[in-house]
Amino acid sequence: AQTVTQSQPEMSVQEAETVTLSCTYDTSESDYYLFWYKQPPSRQMILVIRQEAYKQQNATENRFSVNFQKAAKSFSLKISDSQLGDAAMYFCAYTKLNTGNQFYFGTGTSLTVIP
Amino acid sequence: DAMVIQNPRYQVTQFGKPVTLSCSQTLNHNVMYWYQQKSSQAPKLLFHYYDKDFNNEADTPDNFQSRRPNTSFCFLDIRSPGLGDAAMYLCATSRRNQARGLETQYFGPGTRLLVL
Repeated sequence: AQTVTQSQPEMSVQEAETVTLSCTYDTSESDYYLFWYKQPPSRQMILVIRQEAYKQQNATENRFSVNFQKAAKSFSLKISDSQLGDAAMYFCAYTKLNTGNQFYFGTGTSLTVIP
Repeated sequence: DAMVIQNPRYQVTQFGKPVTLSCSQTLNHNVMYWYQQKSSQAPKLLFHYYDKDFNNEADTPDNFQSRRPNTSFCFLDIRSPGLGDAAMYLCATSRRNQARGLETQYFGPGTRLLVL
């Protein structure tokens, strides 16, 4: 069974500092995608970053980058130069590449940005 | 802009009174999903359509039904809402591509359901 674990229910970071959110997953698949989604309070869930498991290079999107460790089944999100607008619930998600259509979500990490 | 649209954004219904939530997409995605999300929790998948094929999650109550009359539209019907069904309902879409498999999932803004 596929499971996604986010062990940090809440995190906080000082504005302009760097924070890392953790995610681990369990799968027997070799090909899959991993995602980080952001959901601000009362607002839409949006994609932050995506990683394809067959790519060794870590994905980066501006201030957001991931540390993808395939052997360890770890997929952490680093937010650099944190801004007030980064405050949100962050969900890690996984989907298999070739079979099934489900996305599996972690329980989320609530990020607070302190001015 | 291509997007996922949900109507209404807020829905108030009475205990036991049927309600329908709607979702439309302009992304031409072949997979559409309905999730239930309660406060500060992860979205819980209720069911999804892959083209016309309906896939129900094992723990989705019979009270929840869905229809997908065409590629663009998908509806969530709650036949007899209970107080425990008050939640945010998220519609999402994705594309299954023969070459690349399942692609990124895109979400609508959600419909917040209140049951009185």
